[in-house]
Amino acid sequence: SAVISQKPSRDICQRGTSLTIQCQVDSQVTMMFWYRQQPGQSLTLIATANQGSEATYESGFVIDKFPISRPNLTFSTLTVSNMSPEDSSIYLCSSRGPSGSETQYFGPGTRLLVL
Amino acid sequence: GENVEQHPSTLSVQEGDSAVIKCSYSDSASNYFPWYKQELGKGPQLIIDIRSNVGEKKDQRIAVTLNKTAKHFSLHITETQPEDSAVYFCAARGEGANSKLTFGKGITLSVRP
Repeated sequence: SAVISQKPSRDICQRGTSLTIQCQVDSQVTMMFWYRQQPGQSLTLIATANQGSEATYESGFVIDKFPISRPNLTFSTLTVSNMSPEDSSIYLCSSRGPSGSETQYFGPGTRLLVL
Repeated sequence: GENVEQHPSTLSVQEGDSAVIKCSYSDSASNYFPWYKQELGKGPQLIIDIRSNVGEKKDQRIAVTLNKTAKHFSLHITETQPEDSAVYFCAARGEGANSKLTFGKGITLSVRP
């Protein structure tokens, strides 16, 4: 199984600022994903982080608000830009792979509070 | 697109009893069904999964059953323990390298000591 770590684990930020969340996987994986989870809610996919190309965003999420990087097969970042209190949520990194593997694992999450 | 429904939304059982959590899906092309357990303050943890070519899979106290005709799948936990208390999410995914998981809304399982 893949072990995924995220940094920071939590943060409190002021509105209008940006926060970059880092995700590290302990093995090379084909696919990496970023999810948002509102308190007491299910998981909503923000985007698929593609290695070497632009991320693929889901409906309702845009690159200007959630820029994503994936410089290699084990690392990705998600930036939450120009934050507002509505961005307060848990942000989860997830991975699937190597190629042919169906299993998808999740990181511990980053708990973000925007004041 | 796929729609996954999970019911009930909460479930309370006595320690030692069995718990059954049910999910239904809409897309008959879905062929992979994982279950995740999320404890408070943690990320979702994969506990068991099943492919559509298998009707049942068991791992110690946990089992998953799949009814492709009815498009239902269920998580069975036997001999429940207080540490089984958590939120459980079911999910479904179709074929293809770019297919994505669709999650149910989650169920809060409480095991009473």
